[in-house]
Amino acid sequence: IAGITQAPTSQILAAGRRMTLRCTQDMRHNAMYWYRQDLGLGLRLIHYSNTAGTTGKGEVPDGYSVSRANTDDFPLTLASAVPSQTSVYFCASSLGPNNEQFFGPGTRLTVL
Amino acid sequence: GQNIDQPTEMTATEGAIVQINCTYQTSGFNGLFWYQQHAGEAPTFLSYNVLDGLEEKGRFSSFLSRSKGYSYLLLKELQMKDSASYLCAVRDSNYQLIWGAGTKLIIKP
Repeated sequence: IAGITQAPTSQILAAGRRMTLRCTQDMRHNAMYWYRQDLGLGLRLIHYSNTAGTTGKGEVPDGYSVSRANTDDFPLTLASAVPSQTSVYFCASSLGPNNEQFFGPGTRLTVL
Repeated sequence: GQNIDQPTEMTATEGAIVQINCTYQTSGFNGLFWYQQHAGEAPTFLSYNVLDGLEEKGRFSSFLSRSKGYSYLLLKELQMKDSASYLCAVRDSNYQLIWGAGTKLIIKP
């Protein structure tokens, strides 16, 4: 692994289903983030983690949950997907909250 | 509320210079970032300003005026590969990034 990876690349999901988006980084960054990007809008922060074992809510956390059991992994779970969660999801990491963020390649999610 | 404004789209000619503006109103200020995002790809870091003035990095420069809540990204000697969206983001008092919607830059030969 080099940098930050996300899986799956894309997914079509039926409404009401549970889905976990995976994010892994090998840069030993302390902070990790989940964003969604929708056409015409800026990136919006869903959840973040400043260090392993801690998480926080961003601008649009409803319907999403995260965990940070170790430094490398930061999965995002949609407990019961709804069509408004159709979006491109980016995971990012930074050495600390004060540093520039590096982004994963994104997951394109469609909820029908 | 918090707000980042940038033009939706700009067009420029290969070899020319273009300036992309960003104005912001945020709860606190702890730095301003510019990112580049090619279509279908992830954003990549371009520049960071926390003090007033100009930061130069090769063909790209970024300027900040904290008193005016204003920044610009200057791209010189434009190349076709510079066709992308340019995202302005401000780190607020909670150290979270607030993002503008991005400026789509179209380069014409």
